[in-house]
Amino acid sequence: EPEVTQTPSHQVTQMGQEVILRCVPISNHLYFYWYRQILGQKVEFLVSFYNNEISEKSEIFDDQFSVERPDGSNFTLKIRSTKLEDSAMYFCASSEDAGGEQYFGPGTRLTVT
Amino acid sequence: SQQGEEDPQALSIQEGENATMNCSYKTSINNLQWYRQNSGRGLVHLILIRSNEREKHSGRLRVTLDTSKKSSSLLITASRAADTASYFCATGWTSGGSYIPTFGRGTSLIVHP
Repeated sequence: EPEVTQTPSHQVTQMGQEVILRCVPISNHLYFYWYRQILGQKVEFLVSFYNNEISEKSEIFDDQFSVERPDGSNFTLKIRSTKLEDSAMYFCASSEDAGGEQYFGPGTRLTVT
Repeated sequence: SQQGEEDPQALSIQEGENATMNCSYKTSINNLQWYRQNSGRGLVHLILIRSNEREKHSGRLRVTLDTSKKSSSLLITASRAADTASYFCATGWTSGGSYIPTFGRGTSLIVHP
């Protein structure tokens, strides 16, 4: 069964450093998403991506964040200068259509020290 | 806000019993989705119900949607220990290629063997 994969599973970085989180969505999906979940809190939408551009983004997704689909398979989330409060699980998801069933990856646990 | 909020926050039952979780939201939606999350893992999609649907079944799962009350319920029948997880509803409005899902805080379900 096709699945969304994410790497790394755990990333530890120092405050102020740049991190890139990687995702490989399901191959025939057209819509891609990033979410974050701070420990013990709800899943929060960050950004959606369709047709090689951002379609929606939340208030959390400020200038420190960017997304890219550098080739036909990868979908990345970059945080330029990490802060302590960026520590969270980051989930990638993909879907065939907007508003449809989303398939989530296993997540990357980002720890900023 | 289209925020979905689940109720109860925690539910503890014995194997074989039914579990009912509720979700309420505030504004118009065109679909509502239920997801399951095992501790520290990604979300797994359970059921999508559209605003013109009132009830949907999938195996031991039954979801209802009452748009007049802006609420939905997820019923798990004949629960198993493996159903132990957090359950989230996600509400959203799809417009063209845009979709911003809003997740609630979830119901933590524990099924005792």
